[in-house]
Amino acid sequence: ETGVTQSPTHLIKTRGQQVTLRCSSQSGHNTVSWYQQALGQGPQFIFQYYREEENGRGNFPPRFSGLQFPNYSSELNVNALELDDSALYLCASSPGVGVTYEQYFGPGTRLTVT
Amino acid sequence: RKEVEQDPGPFNVPEGATVAFNCTYSNSASQSFFWYRQDCRKEPKLLMSVYSSGNEDGRFTAQLNRASQYISLLIRDSKLSDSATYLCVTGNTPLVFGKGTRLSVIA
Repeated sequence: ETGVTQSPTHLIKTRGQQVTLRCSSQSGHNTVSWYQQALGQGPQFIFQYYREEENGRGNFPPRFSGLQFPNYSSELNVNALELDDSALYLCASSPGVGVTYEQYFGPGTRLTVT
Repeated sequence: RKEVEQDPGPFNVPEGATVAFNCTYSNSASQSFFWYRQDCRKEPKLLMSVYSSGNEDGRFTAQLNRASQYISLLIRDSKLSDSATYLCVTGNTPLVFGKGTRLSVIA
């Protein structure tokens, strides 16, 4: 196991609601990245946090927002949920930013929007 | 055009077979390349990094051709436990994933 944990494991929400997903990074890791994986697709980059600051963002609308705490754990918030937001949400932590640092994935949160 | 494109699959092969996966990428500035393995309903896990000189890890061999922007993965002597989706990945921040190719190894 990677030491990266995510909660909750599964979640069912209704269109229009808001959701918060949580990620605890591996000990010693200061960087957390979030990815969305729709069924049958590869993971898509949402954003990355490095030492509590956003350090890059993918092509996702502003209703996807995040936060990183002083202990480097992180939250992903999604407002005004849409049916297409149904996916596996993965977080990955790494000990730094850059090509030399491997990203370690958590088990994911499976979100279903009805 | 997708930034990373892979063989559509699925690949159904008998145990002991050799199987090859191919991948092309469009960003010529990409510096890092990987193959990840993802089991059904699980998180992706790094299988191996891919270097210009090619690299081998047991039954797995990865090759990179920068001129053609092409990456490959060869699995020799397939095992039932190799059944999974194999994701071609470029970059690092962020990682850019292909859609994946599903492999089923059949007894």
